[in-house]
Amino acid sequence: QLQLQESGPGLVKPSETLSLMCTISGGSVISSGYYWGWVRQPPGKGLEWIGSIYYTGTTYYSPSLESRLTIFVDTSRNHFSLNLKSVTAADTAVYYCARWLNSYGHTNFDTWGLGILVTVSS
Amino acid sequence: QSVLTQPPSVSAAPEQKVTISCSGSSSNIGNNYVSWYQQLPGTAPKLLIYDNNKRPSGIPDRFSASKSGTSATLGITGLQTGDEADYYCETWDSSLSAVVFGGGTKLTVL
Repeated sequence: QLQLQESGPGLVKPSETLSLMCTISGGSVISSGYYWGWVRQPPGKGLEWIGSIYYTGTTYYSPSLESRLTIFVDTSRNHFSLNLKSVTAADTAVYYCARWLNSYGHTNFDTWGLGILVTVSS
Repeated sequence: QSVLTQPPSVSAAPEQKVTISCSGSSSNIGNNYVSWYQQLPGTAPKLLIYDNNKRPSGIPDRFSASKSGTSATLGITGLQTGDEADYYCETWDSSLSAVVFGGGTKLTVL
């Protein structure tokens, strides 16, 4: 059974870089037709897509975050990661990793991690 | 401000039916498939509906959905207190080249 687990620091200082990793178990990051994505949810608010990556390295980024965002994949270690630089309090959120199907207008996140709360504060 | 518009809240009595709307445009719902997610309090979202109206394995047929033009609708029948959750619609926006979510709808089972 596919499982995803987010990991990383729960507290990041303003202007620094937020780095998270998503470890995949029960499956492979090299999955034909499936991307791997990040979604966040500020406290008390809705879901916001951050970006997604295919095992080949092809990425899709949210236009609002693209200038600060890097998502990369490590096929040898079966995980993918997120770096978001120059963070502010507005980046405080629960960050979820998820498996993303993206094919000819079909899109859905069918498996999610439990999420990790990241607070941006000095 | 979300690209997809959902009502902030809906409510209904146990055993009744409720619908949740999701309104978009031709660049998103109008030309792409819609998915729906259920987020129970304190938990991660869960895929409820994909490809406009398909249910993943394990999702009861009390949950259904449809799409017409630039709008989509989620329906839940036989409401249970365990259905109290936030519900989100999601699709691809071809103009933005981005995944877009609705703002979410909080369902209360009175």
